[in-house]
Amino acid sequence: DGGITQSPKYLFRKEGQNVTLSCEQNLNHDAMYWYRQDPGQGLRLIYYSQIVNDFQKGDIAEGYSVSREKKESFPLTVTSAQKNPTAFYLCASTPGGGSNQPQHFGDGTRLSIL
Amino acid sequence: AQSVSQHNHHVILSEAASLELGCNYSYGGTVNLFWYVQYPGQHLQLLLKYFSGDPLVKGIKGFEAEFIKSKFSFNLRKPSVQWSDTAEYFCAVARFSGFKTIFGAGTRLFVKA
Repeated sequence: DGGITQSPKYLFRKEGQNVTLSCEQNLNHDAMYWYRQDPGQGLRLIYYSQIVNDFQKGDIAEGYSVSREKKESFPLTVTSAQKNPTAFYLCASTPGGGSNQPQHFGDGTRLSIL
Repeated sequence: AQSVSQHNHHVILSEAASLELGCNYSYGGTVNLFWYVQYPGQHLQLLLKYFSGDPLVKGIKGFEAEFIKSKFSFNLRKPSVQWSDTAEYFCAVARFSGFKTIFGAGTRLFVKA
């Protein structure tokens, strides 16, 4: 079955520590996205990538970084500069970059601060 | 800035009741519209979408939504809900010529058996 795999499901970060969230897809999709979900705020776009080796900042990119070295992988690093990282993080993909394409989502990673 | 507003954050209904969840967006140009659903313990998935044509669109599990351009609305409806419809529902809007999708805050629906 094709889909998006996010790992880990739960992640704990110490103050001042960088952590990396994994997102892998086997849908052969070109575009991938990272969202942050906070209670009562819906999904907010952190970064997106339309093609390998290219990515753009979303609405709340500060304190985050990404890479897109392979088509199937789009890891997100939450750096120590992100002062309020506790949230639910969702990875998504679409076949291409058109806005008429529904997004396919992973199961998410819940990040908490120790 | 483009925004999406969902009118109710929590809705509680009894089985067989009718459902209508409101969604309004702020962008004045051509848009693509979506409703996504997240059932307990499952990932977010597409419920239905509107791109063009008939403004009344039908999705999975008996859901439908009506696009009213003059009201910038895309309300979700179901004539008779079931306990299995308990989930969180998200309205989403994307500019026709754009790339980003803007999501509403979500509505949690609880259906009492």
